[in-house]
Amino acid sequence: DAKTTQPPSMDCAEGRAANLPCNHSTISGNEYVYWYRQIHSQGPQYIIHGLKNNETNEMASLIITEDRKSSTLILPHATLRDTAVYYCIVRVAVNSGYALNFGKGTSLLVTP
Amino acid sequence: DSGVTQTPKHLITATGQRVTLRCSPRSGDLSVYWYQQSLDQGLQFLIQYYNGEERAKGNILERFSAQQFPDLHSELNLSSLELGDSALYFCASSGAGTLLGELFFGEGSRLTVL
Repeated sequence: DAKTTQPPSMDCAEGRAANLPCNHSTISGNEYVYWYRQIHSQGPQYIIHGLKNNETNEMASLIITEDRKSSTLILPHATLRDTAVYYCIVRVAVNSGYALNFGKGTSLLVTP
Repeated sequence: DSGVTQTPKHLITATGQRVTLRCSPRSGDLSVYWYQQSLDQGLQFLIQYYNGEERAKGNILERFSAQQFPDLHSELNLSSLELGDSALYFCASSGAGTLLGELFFGEGSRLTVL
């Protein structure tokens, strides 16, 4: 099962781009990368996912390297409300279903 | 609002007791997932149900059990509670029409065992 590695914490100034890296060097060819975030103790919130192409939605952009061993989540104009723990996840098959195994994530602090 | 409802929001009980946490998934979602979040363990996957059947099992203790009912709501039963079971318990749902791997989480049930 692919595992992910993220820095434990990062800072970003409000209005600047926040670039959150993730290593998933053991990812297999058909496994997607998912990003979620959790603000304080609220339920995690889906942000974006991708397989091999870069993806963009209203919340963020996801850049996946060509070898798929790492990816970067980009919040183009971070606001104070983006302060949260960000999780990079590779979905794993478990029994006849699947699970998203959340690791420790990256705690992003957006400062004024 | 994710559309996933969890009750109760807060629960305080004593060691050795049994509690039931309830989850109502988003309308139409067939899959329900349970997660446990404690301070030292992070967010841990417990179990997944799909349309009433258990599909995936994570690090769920034998003292814990879950089920999904015909109306698709789910319950997580925690018995012989220990201090270490104090945690936030999240339910999430997903279903047809949503992006693969996009889970919608409820606001959680905070369990405190004294």
